[in-house]
Amino acid sequence: GAVVSQHPSWVICKSGTSVKIECRSLDFQATTMFWYRQFPKQSLMLMATSNEGSKATYEQGVEKDKFLINHASLTLSTLTVTSAHPEDSSFYICSARDWGNSNQPQHFGDGTRLSIL
Amino acid sequence: GEDVEQSLFLSVREGDSSVINCTYTDSSSTYLYWYKQEPGAGLQLLTYIFSNMDMKQDQRLTVLLNKKDKHLSLRIADTQTGDSAIYFCAERGAGSYQLTFGKGTKLSVIP
Repeated sequence: GAVVSQHPSWVICKSGTSVKIECRSLDFQATTMFWYRQFPKQSLMLMATSNEGSKATYEQGVEKDKFLINHASLTLSTLTVTSAHPEDSSFYICSARDWGNSNQPQHFGDGTRLSIL
Repeated sequence: GEDVEQSLFLSVREGDSSVINCTYTDSSSTYLYWYKQEPGAGLQLLTYIFSNMDMKQDQRLTVLLNKKDKHLSLRIADTQTGDSAIYFCAERGAGSYQLTFGKGTKLSVIP
């Protein structure tokens, strides 16, 4: 089945640090990937849609200069949380859509737990 | 915007059937999904149903869709302790690949 790999799974860093999270589709090509944020005991909030070879589409209220998204290849999208602060601590999850099969559901990574001290 | 609603908690005894319900508002929904999330993990796709279907069965899982009432349910037969998790209902609207998620139902299975 389709596998999405997300790395790292857990990161702890100091306030002011920039953190990069990778999302890879391992056995399929993904022109579109999605980045979500999940607060404790809450649902997933879509942050942005990552499009291969073009700019990401950000949801209302999400700062694009704070959350930089790069989707340089058909199998990799990255989310960089710039100058992270404690309020950015959260669980970040990516998902990917199989380019070759538009009817297939999104496949999710295992998430990245980000803790900013 | 579109909305997806779920009850927050469900508790069942091991061996019983669990039924998790979901309602949505988007009348143009094309696909509806059920995802499972265990603590500290990502989302695992359990099953999904196309909007022109009424029912889909996959081993212990049965999905029922009432499109007229915009109601979706997930039945888990012979519920096991390993089924304890949060279950998210999600819908995908026409012309879009974005998903709208419910808040999740926490299923607790009592041994």
